[in-house]
Amino acid sequence: AQKITQTQPGMFVQEKEAVTLDCTYDTSDPSYGLFWYKQPSSGEMIFLIYQGSYDQQNATEGRYSLNFQKARKSANLVISASQLGDSAMYFCAMRGILQNYGQNFVFGPGTRLSVLP
Amino acid sequence: DGGITQSPKYLFRKEGQNVTLSCEQNLNHDAMYWYRQDPGQGLRLIYYSQIVNDFQKGDIAEGYSVSREKKESFPLTVTSAQKNPTAFYLCASRARTGLYGYTFGSGTRLTVV
Repeated sequence: AQKITQTQPGMFVQEKEAVTLDCTYDTSDPSYGLFWYKQPSSGEMIFLIYQGSYDQQNATEGRYSLNFQKARKSANLVISASQLGDSAMYFCAMRGILQNYGQNFVFGPGTRLSVLP
Repeated sequence: DGGITQSPKYLFRKEGQNVTLSCEQNLNHDAMYWYRQDPGQGLRLIYYSQIVNDFQKGDIAEGYSVSREKKESFPLTVTSAQKNPTAFYLCASRARTGLYGYTFGSGTRLTVV
């Protein structure tokens, strides 16, 4: 079975500093994708970044980067130069290629990030 | 622009009533999903549909029903059998193939009064 673990229920970071949100995963699929979503207080889920299991380089999207360590099964999100608007819930998610694609998109429990002025 | 539209944004239900949440997408995605989110919690899968006229139960389907008569539409009915329906409901869709992620709607907040 696939599983996502996010061990930090809440995190605080000072504005303009960098922060790392942890995500570890477990899967038997040989090929999979890892995703991070941001959910502000308004509720919508905003896609941030994607990492494929066979990608050689870590994914980056603007201030977001994904620290992918395949052997350790971790996919941590790094936010550089935090802004007040980064305060939100952040979800790590995974999708495997082999299993029934209706059921195989798994979410972690989320980390609430608060950016302090 | 392509996307997913959920309506209404806020919905109030009386005890014993059925209510239907709307989800429409114009992304030409085959697969559509309904998730429930309780305060401070992650997402739990209610139902999903891979193709028109077909849908499958997720982890917490009891007290809910869905239909998929059109590719663009995947409405969710919260029935009176759902004992604790107050929650935030998110609809999502994605392309059938490839390791692509979801596109989400903006959600419906359902409250029992």
